[in-house]
Amino acid sequence: DQQVKQNSPSLSVQEGRISILNCDYTNSMFDYFLWYKKYPAEGPTFLISISSIKDKNEDGRFTVFLNKSAKHLSLHIVPSQPGDSAVYFCALPPRGANRDDKIIFGKGTRLHILP
Amino acid sequence: KAGVTQTPRYLIKTRGQQVTLSCSPISGHRSVSWYQQTPGQGLQFLFEYFSETQRNKGNFPGRFSGRQFSNSRSEMNVSTLELGDSALYLCASSPQLAAEQFFGPGTRLTVL
Repeated sequence: DQQVKQNSPSLSVQEGRISILNCDYTNSMFDYFLWYKKYPAEGPTFLISISSIKDKNEDGRFTVFLNKSAKHLSLHIVPSQPGDSAVYFCALPPRGANRDDKIIFGKGTRLHILP
Repeated sequence: KAGVTQTPRYLIKTRGQQVTLSCSPISGHRSVSWYQQTPGQGLQFLFEYFSETQRNKGNFPGRFSGRQFSNSRSEMNVSTLELGDSALYLCASSPQLAAEQFFGPGTRLTVL
């Protein structure tokens, strides 16, 4: 059973507008979340994280919001740029309630930024 | 510091053949993990090696195997290739178990 779920396989957004990528998780004890960005033929690169002691973390154009009661997090990209076209993975690091000694990834959402 | 390197970057094989992929971790990193990425399944964990020992294994058949050498370099082997094995295989290294992982560029395997 998937512990992190990204229910939208793809998303298209106009350049300059806001991109919102969503992720749901199953265990309310998870306390730290990661977002990775992946271009074709490259490995994933770390983008931004959030701890459960916060409900928001911001880094430039990227903001991640955490709604603990809904077990939901979202990544906002404002404004969206062509270089943001990539696959975005929500992930759980190997710590805390994630008892596996490995990162657990969602299936990813492919973001297309339209000119 | 050089990043994680994987060789080869691209590989074409036919069904029934076997393949070996190689990963060199970041210098000083002792943990190497392997992932398979396909369009439908996202990133799926294959296995993790630490100090030449397999520490974790994902839900893949026995055709998928790996090993780690004393210099932390790792190889992954897939025997009796099937069409469904076509994927991007990613290697990630970390300084120790349960630490942040750094990914290589991947090996694109195509099985015909």
